[in-house]
Amino acid sequence: AQKVTQAQTEISVVEKEDVTLDCVYETRDTTYYLFWYKQPPSGELVFLIRRNSFDEQNEISGRYSWNFQKSTSSFNFTITASQVVDSAVYFCALGSNFGNEKLTFGTGTRLTIIP
Amino acid sequence: DVKVTQSSRYLVKRTGEKVFLECVQDMDHENMFWYRQDPGLGLRLIYFSYDVKMKEKGDIPEGYSVSREKKERFSLILESASTNQTSMYLCASRPARDRPNYGYTFGSGTRLTVV
Repeated sequence: AQKVTQAQTEISVVEKEDVTLDCVYETRDTTYYLFWYKQPPSGELVFLIRRNSFDEQNEISGRYSWNFQKSTSSFNFTITASQVVDSAVYFCALGSNFGNEKLTFGTGTRLTIIP
Repeated sequence: DVKVTQSSRYLVKRTGEKVFLECVQDMDHENMFWYRQDPGLGLRLIYFSYDVKMKEKGDIPEGYSVSREKKERFSLILESASTNQTSMYLCASRPARDRPNYGYTFGSGTRLTVV
């Protein structure tokens, strides 16, 4: 069975601070995919990133960066110099390369950026 | 711009009613999914479909059914709505084969209240 744990239920930081959202996953698959989604107050989940299990390179996209470590089964997400527009619920998700291609989601982290 | 459209943003239904939630995608995707989102539980998969007229149960199918008569449309049916089905329902789609850095596309959600 697959499982995704986002232990941080809610985080609040002051604008311009850096913040890291944690994600720990469990899977028996040797090939899998990890995702991060952002859900702003409007409700629609916005795709941020997908990583393959065989690619452990960290990725940076503007103020966003992701740290993937298979050794600790973690896929953490860091926002640098946070802005109020970053306030949202963030979901980490795990997908298999085989079979039904469904995603298993974590419970989400609500991030509030205080101006 | 790719789109997944859910027909209603808000719905209020009475206990025992039959409820239809509609989802349409314009991306020619093979796979479509219905999730429900509840506080503290994240997103949980109800049903998914990988082709027209094909369907598979997700993690919490009880009390729900689905219909996929056309590729672009995936309907979620609550046969007899109950108060514990009050939730946010999210539809998603994706192509059958992975594309580099491609993720699921979600609709804006339908917030269903059963009274």
